[in-house]
Amino acid sequence: DAGVIQSPRHEVTEMGQEVTLRCKPISGHNSLFWYRQTMMRGLELLIYFNNNVPIDDSGMPEDRFSAKMPNASFSTLKIQPSEPRDSAVYFCASTLGQLNQPQHFGDGTRLSIL
Amino acid sequence: DQQVKQNSPSLSVQEGRISILNCDYTNSMFDYFLWYKKYPAEGPTFLISISSIKDKNEDGRFTVFLNKSAKHLSLHIVPSQPGDSAVYFCAATDTGNQFYFGTGTSLTVIP
Repeated sequence: DAGVIQSPRHEVTEMGQEVTLRCKPISGHNSLFWYRQTMMRGLELLIYFNNNVPIDDSGMPEDRFSAKMPNASFSTLKIQPSEPRDSAVYFCASTLGQLNQPQHFGDGTRLSIL
Repeated sequence: DQQVKQNSPSLSVQEGRISILNCDYTNSMFDYFLWYKKYPAEGPTFLISISSIKDKNEDGRFTVFLNKSAKHLSLHIVPSQPGDSAVYFCAATDTGNQFYFGTGTSLTVIP
């Protein structure tokens, strides 16, 4: 039973470059979440989708961040241009979207912006 | 503003003893609470949950207690094992869609 799959696992790039993080949710799950893990705020929700539609993107820090979900099995999180302060671990999670159902997380992408 | 708070960044416990991890929340509308466990270089994995209609839920060595009047929940692990060493996140939701996470508590179980 495949879990949430994220790629790449690690990304190192220079400031100003475009970064694209990818996520494949668990088949049949209809809600998808992007989180950023920081020491100060823990797991910080960036955006979530329900049935491929963005529901709440109030956590997206700046216009440099964008996310898409073109179909039920794929989502991307883009940062353009990237900055050193974007360095963090980014997690994708999915859930059935029903009441009282836990989220299932991928193993994350560790992003380093030099 | 952080709606779910874990005020202890770290905790150390001897193997075989009880581990108690605490979590406070501010939103009285939260009705479902979860604990996740996270090992290094892995994503958080679901551990145990509790609905607001209950005050206790038990699963093997893990028990979650909910005190709604105090807006407080705790995770008890007994007996603690070295493999329990990880970061534990508390989370809460009121809609079943948007989840709010704490900053995590790093548990070290000393053999």
